[in-house]
Formats: sequence, structure tokens, C-alpha cells
Amino acid sequence: DAGVTQSPTHLIKTRGQQVTLRCSPKSGHDTVSWYQQALGQGPQFIFQYYEEEERQRGNFPDRFSGHQFPNYSSELNVNALWLGDSALYLCASEGQGGSPLHFGNGTRLTVT
Amino acid sequence: ILNVEQSPQSLHVQEGDSTNFTCSFPSSNFYALHWYRWETAKSPEALFVMTLNGDEKKKGRISATLNTKEGYSYLYIKGSQPEDSATYLCAFRRAGGTSYGKLTFGQGTILTVHP
Repeated sequence: DAGVTQSPTHLIKTRGQQVTLRCSPKSGHDTVSWYQQALGQGPQFIFQYYEEEERQRGNFPDRFSGHQFPNYSSELNVNALWLGDSALYLCASEGQGGSPLHFGNGTRLTVT
Repeated sequence: ILNVEQSPQSLHVQEGDSTNFTCSFPSSNFYALHWYRWETAKSPEALFVMTLNGDEKKKGRISATLNTKEGYSYLYIKGSQPEDSATYLCAFRRAGGTSYGKLTFGQGTILTVHP
């Protein structure tokens, strides 16, 4: 039973570029959330997708957008990258309400 | 703004010591409190999901308590082992129309257990 998988594991981009990160949820999970973890901080909620719709959004600018596909996998897109976007991006999936999150190993994004 | 605070930020203990850390969260609009363990080079792993005031959960040598009225949760590790070394995160989910939605995480407590 595959858990949450994310790709790529590492990425280096230049300021102003665009990036797409990918996530496949744990089998049987239909809800996917994205979190950003900067150094020394806890994960910060970006948004959550359910039934291919953005269900809730955190305090992130419109440069951050996402998508969920019919197979529940998800993408996180960041446009016009800033140096401050350098962080670990975590994808998490969950099944029934109230169940714990299952996390992927994350994508380490470095913006130079 | 929801504030979830964890203390201490880091902790060094000797193998065999028992230890505990604290998570404080808003005492209003409570839905659930999650605890996760995050080992280096791995993904965060769920320890407990706690929903009721007075809840006590146990998993091996690790246990947690919950006080929703005063807004705090304690995580206890009995007889710490080097493999317990990790960052321990708590996360708060507020009540409101859905049982899903964002988790607000604390900054974590980094535990190092020395042999």
C-alpha cells in the first residue's frame, strides 16, 4: 500500500521562474493538502483540495495555485518565484474527517 | 490569527530519562489536536488525534493528555531511547462547518536522546 509520494525531491530554480510540484495521495484518500515549511518554523497551510476543488486556502498569495485530478493526485504551482519561497513543501492526504494526515517526504525548493 | 505554541523549542536528554513537552492552542472553537513525530530524512508520522477534553492516549512509551478548556496538551515519553530523537509537532484544527480543513502547526520541539 503506497503512501503519499511527492516529486521531485529537490529542485533549484531562479527568481522569477515558475515551478510545479506533484503529489500522489495514499491509496483510498481523497483529500490533499499542501504545506510550506520554512527553516525553524512549523508547516504552514497553503491550501486543501477535495473533489477537484480548492476547499480551503491559507494566507498565501495568488502566485500559489493548485489542481487536483480525478485520480486525487495534486499539483502545486508557484509563479514568479521569490527568494523567500525557498522551503520544504509537504503534501498530505487524509481520508475520513477527523483522521490524521499522511505526509509525503516533501520537495525541497531552493530559489536563487 | 491562531497561535499554536510549543515548548521547549529543543530538549537534550539521556537515554532512559522520561520527558514531556507542551503544546498550547486556542481554547475556543476546538475541533481536534494532532501530534506528529518527524524524524530526520523521513515524513511526519501521526502519533495521536485527540478530540475530547480529558482525552488520554498512549502508544508504547509515548502518551498524551488534552485539556481543551485551558488550551494545552502534554506529550510524555517514558524511558527515552535514541530512536525517539525527532521533532515533535502538534497541530490544532478549529471547529467550523467541516471536520476537514487546515491544521495550524506549532514550531515543534526538537528532542535529542543521548546514549
